[in-house]
Amino acid sequence: DADVTQTPRNRITKTGKRIMLECSQTKGHDRMYWYRQDPGLGLRLIYYSFDVKDINKGEISDGYSVSRQAQAKFSLSLESAIPNQTALYFCATSGPGTRSNQPQHFGDGTRLSIL
Amino acid sequence: GENVEQHPSTLSVQEGDSAVIKCTYSDSASNYFPWYKQELGKGPQLIIDIRSNVGEKKDQRIAVTLNKTAKHFSLHITETQPEDSAVYFCAATEGAQKLVFGQGTRLTINP
Repeated sequence: DADVTQTPRNRITKTGKRIMLECSQTKGHDRMYWYRQDPGLGLRLIYYSFDVKDINKGEISDGYSVSRQAQAKFSLSLESAIPNQTALYFCATSGPGTRSNQPQHFGDGTRLSIL
Repeated sequence: GENVEQHPSTLSVQEGDSAVIKCTYSDSASNYFPWYKQELGKGPQLIIDIRSNVGEKKDQRIAVTLNKTAKHFSLHITETQPEDSAVYFCAATEGAQKLVFGQGTRLTINP
């Protein structure tokens, strides 16, 4: 089984709809991240969380919100989806603990299309 | 904040030849530099990383070099094989635990 699981893997929806992408991990890591991938732009950080009570905005947080329901679960929401949020979304984790500069481990992504 | 530039965006090499991908970064405080490989339909996977107190690191056919003075680091793949075809990303740290990624390099190995 995958250590970092993202659901759904694919989603097509309409402009204005609320969407939630979910991420769960079995690695026991404290730190979780949400990234967006667009062609030619690499991975850009949306939000990150260093523990259940800690949520931080990343480079491109506008139009997104997150919830850290437990150490193992981190959800990304698009409150009112717009077409330019069509992208690949990745969840990542790092840890254990708070030692700096630990590798990040990625899920296999959610392909989101907004019509 | 940190800015990471990656070149080239696409690279095509003959099987058995070497491939080199280069990245530059802007924040002199960055001290951790991972490289990720992304295959089609999958998430990025860490293949090698280097910390700022080391100039070079090797793992079989893969090596990474770091020049802190010039603020650039490179990925070297020797004796390339078809399974090396993928998109590769470099990254550098911003702060204690955030990564800033390069734009990616699509590597194609021609048989």
